[in-house]
Amino acid sequence: DTGVSQNPRHKITKRGQNVTFRCDPISEHNRLYWYRQTLGQGPEFLTYFQNEAQLEKSRLLSDRFSAERPKGSFSTLEIQRTEQGDSAMYLCASSLLTGMNTEAFFGQGTRLTVV
Amino acid sequence: GDSVTQMEGPVTLSEEAFLTINCTYTATGYPSLFWYVQYPGEGLQLLLKATKADDKGSNKGFEATYRKETTSFHLEKGSVQVSDSAVYFCALKDNYGQNFVFGPGTRLSVLP
Repeated sequence: DTGVSQNPRHKITKRGQNVTFRCDPISEHNRLYWYRQTLGQGPEFLTYFQNEAQLEKSRLLSDRFSAERPKGSFSTLEIQRTEQGDSAMYLCASSLLTGMNTEAFFGQGTRLTVV
Repeated sequence: GDSVTQMEGPVTLSEEAFLTINCTYTATGYPSLFWYVQYPGEGLQLLLKATKADDKGSNKGFEATYRKETTSFHLEKGSVQVSDSAVYFCALKDNYGQNFVFGPGTRLSVLP
């Protein structure tokens, strides 16, 4: 296994367009997280899945954002009607559901630029 | 809610200097604590972790001790190298093991 994979690595879009990002977690990991990171800041939690169930969503996740994880495998994060404030690095992470001390493994992120 | 505070950077050191990056947290219960590192152009990688009070995490010469009485998890290294230049994030995993809360990160630059 090569770790968490995110595609695309970079995305430039015009304001108002829709974008979709994909995350492929480590194969046996049942938890999958999405975070957003802006320049000079730490990752901010957006949402997470346990298998195919979306268990928690941050208030940062407006109704323009939607995430899915069909069949508990890969996940997609869609942003509709993008705004310039959506420009950020979107990070995906996965982990095993084995307790509090289990670390998350991160992908390299998708950098979104809204022009 | 849970939160993590880190010393502001950037931190600039000469090679072989001693490093301390302060981290304090606010959480209900007893979270697990982590240090992640982000090298230029790469994703976040786990550096070390500690799961209960007085635990010491260590890796690659870095150490951090979980101090419940001071709610701290300071990162230390006795002799930094140029290759340690990166951004370091302190993080906690809450009492129910749901999601990770990160600090703002501290950028370290080590000069030869």
